Amino acid sequence: EPEVTQTPSHQVTQMGQEVILRCVPISNHLYFYWYRQILGQKVEFLVSFYNNEISEKSEIFDDQFSVERPDGSNFTLKIRSTKLEDSAMYFCASSLARTLNTEAFFGQGTRLTVV
Amino acid sequence: KQEVTQIPAALSVPEGENLVLNCSFTDSAIYNLQWFRQDPGKGLTSLLLIQSSQREQTSGRLNASLDKSSGRSTLYIAASQPGDSATYLCAVSSPLAGNQFYFGTGTSLTVIP
Repeated sequence: EPEVTQTPSHQVTQMGQEVILRCVPISNHLYFYWYRQILGQKVEFLVSFYNNEISEKSEIFDDQFSVERPDGSNFTLKIRSTKLEDSAMYFCASSLARTLNTEAFFGQGTRLTVV
Repeated sequence: KQEVTQIPAALSVPEGENLVLNCSFTDSAIYNLQWFRQDPGKGLTSLLLIQSSQREQTSGRLNASLDKSSGRSTLYIAASQPGDSATYLCAVSSPLAGNQFYFGTGTSLTVIP
């Protein structure tokens, strides 16, 4: 069964360093998303991406964050200068169409720890 | 802003019992509602998707219902098993949210053998 794949599963980084989280969405999907879940809190939307551009972003997704689809398969989230409060589980998701009428599939997540 | 609440926050039941998890949302104008399962430290596994025009969806021992007018959804799990132990999340997409889901805080389910 097709699945969303994320790497690495766990990343430890020092505060102020740049990190890139990687995702391979389901191959025929057109919409891609990043969500995050701080320990003990709700899963929160960060950004959605379609047709090689950001379609929506939340207040969390400030200038420190960027997304890219560098080739036909990967979808990345970059955090330029990590802060302690960026420590969270980051989930990539994809859907065939907009979430308003289709199922979204999530990856297993990348646990980011900023020290 | 859409607010999604799940009650109870935690539930412990003996194996074999039927159970109901609740999800409520503040804006009834939703596009769809999706139930997920999350194992500790793991990702989100999609269980059921209910479109706004539907009243329920079934998959195996799981049945999800949707009542848009009252802003509620329930996930019914029949004949619970220890392997069902996990956190169950509901998420809604709505006109207020654009192309994103709003998630609830989850119900942590423990099925005791």
